[in-house]
Amino acid sequence: EVQLVESGGGLVQPGGSLRLSCAASGFAFDNTWMDWVRQAPGKGLEWVANIKMDGSEMYYVDSVKGRFTISRDNAKNSLFLQLNSLRIEDTAVYYCSASLNHWGHGTLVTVSS
Amino acid sequence: DTQMTQSPSSLSAAVGDRVTISCRASHGIRNSVSWFQQKPGKAPKPLIYGASILQSGVPSKFSGSGSGTDFTLTISSLQPEDFATYFCLQYETYPRTFGPGTRVEIK
Repeated sequence: EVQLVESGGGLVQPGGSLRLSCAASGFAFDNTWMDWVRQAPGKGLEWVANIKMDGSEMYYVDSVKGRFTISRDNAKNSLFLQLNSLRIEDTAVYYCSASLNHWGHGTLVTVSS
Repeated sequence: DTQMTQSPSSLSAAVGDRVTISCRASHGIRNSVSWFQQKPGKAPKPLIYGASILQSGVPSKFSGSGSGTDFTLTISSLQPEDFATYFCLQYETYPRTFGPGTRVEIK
């Protein structure tokens, strides 16, 4: 059974940083593109970033370029999202996803002073 | 960016009704569309990929069609567990983009 478990969310002040993690199991992690998707409270879904199987390619939505970094550790079946220079509008539930076909339950990031 | 529009934004339907939700891409994206169901407080559940291929375990009352710019999700006979919000997604171009969602409510 595919399992994706996010962690690392919390309350942070504007300009602060957080590192989100996603522990994956039940599938060939090292052969799967991985994505982060977010959802602001009461809003729709927004794709944030993804990373190729070997970590050689990463893509981002414009609103997070230069502030967020996606990475992975295939030896530990783990996906990460480093969030820097956080803004109030980054407040959202962040979902880890395996090729957008399997999703975790999400972790809440709240940016507020 | 490829913009995805959805219609209607919401609809009211009765149990047993046939429901159709449309999604339009701002330019051609072949068949690179997925559909998701989301209930309050829950993660999105993938229903369809490749515009028409049912995800494993998804009941056959769900079906998808379309190619190019126009796509459709159909629920053949609405059941109580189907009341939710539905999103389309294009994965042909970067950034990936979702439609704004269609809320399906009980009439």
